[in-house]
Amino acid sequence: NAGVMQNPRHLVRRRGQEARLRCSPMKGHSHVYWYRQLPEEGLKFMVYLQKENIIDESGMPKERFSAEFPKEGPSILRIQQVVRGDSAAYFCASSPQHSGANVLTFGAGSRLTVL
Amino acid sequence: DQQVKQNSPSLSVQEGRISILNCDYTNSMFDYFLWYKKYPAEGPTFLISISSIKDKNEDGRFTVFLNKSAKHLSLHIVPSQPGDSAVYFCAAISNSGNTPLVFGKGTRLSVIA
Repeated sequence: NAGVMQNPRHLVRRRGQEARLRCSPMKGHSHVYWYRQLPEEGLKFMVYLQKENIIDESGMPKERFSAEFPKEGPSILRIQQVVRGDSAAYFCASSPQHSGANVLTFGAGSRLTVL
Repeated sequence: DQQVKQNSPSLSVQEGRISILNCDYTNSMFDYFLWYKKYPAEGPTFLISISSIKDKNEDGRFTVFLNKSAKHLSLHIVPSQPGDSAVYFCAAISNSGNTPLVFGKGTRLSVIA
C-alpha cells in the first residue's frame, strides 16, 4: 500500500445523477477524513470517520451527501442528485490516530465535474 | 468565518532568494500548526509543523516561525528552488478539542529561475 488511494481520479456526472467516491486509507490507518476543494478555495473539512462510525460530520452539507467507512472495504463519499455546485476536488486523508501531531496523509483526490 | 487566513494568494520569488509565506489564525484554541505543499493534480503533502510550545522549527531549507501573541505564523524557504513552485497551505488544529484540521486558502508560490 503505497499511500492513500482514491478512485476514480476523475468523474463526470450530469445534474441529478449520483456520484460515489472511494478512499482506501494507508495500511494501519483507521481514521479517514474527507475534504473538498472548490475552485480558488482552500480545503474544507467535510467528515471524519473511523471504521463503521461517523465521528464528526459538521462539514457535510445536510442534504444529498453521505459518507461511510465499513468494516471491510474503502470509505465512500456519496453525493446524490448532484448539482453544478458540487463540482470540486474531493480529497481523502488518513491517520493512525486523531491528533494534530499525527499528520494527515492525503490521497491524490477525485475531481468531480457536474455537467 | 475563516479561522485560518492566508492573505496572499500568490507570491513570486527569484531562485536562490528567500520565500516567506504568511498565515494568520483567529482561534486561540489552536495549538498545533502545519504547512502542506500541493502540486497540480496531486494531493497535499505534509511539509513541516510546529507546536504552540515552540516559536521556531527548522527542517533543512524550511523554517516555520510562530508568534502566538499575534496569532501569526510564517514559512521561510531559503534558498528557494524552482521545484518549490507549488501551492502552500497553512493548517491548524486544537489537540485538546475534537476539531478537524482547518486549512487556509493557500498561497501559490512561483520560483523563477
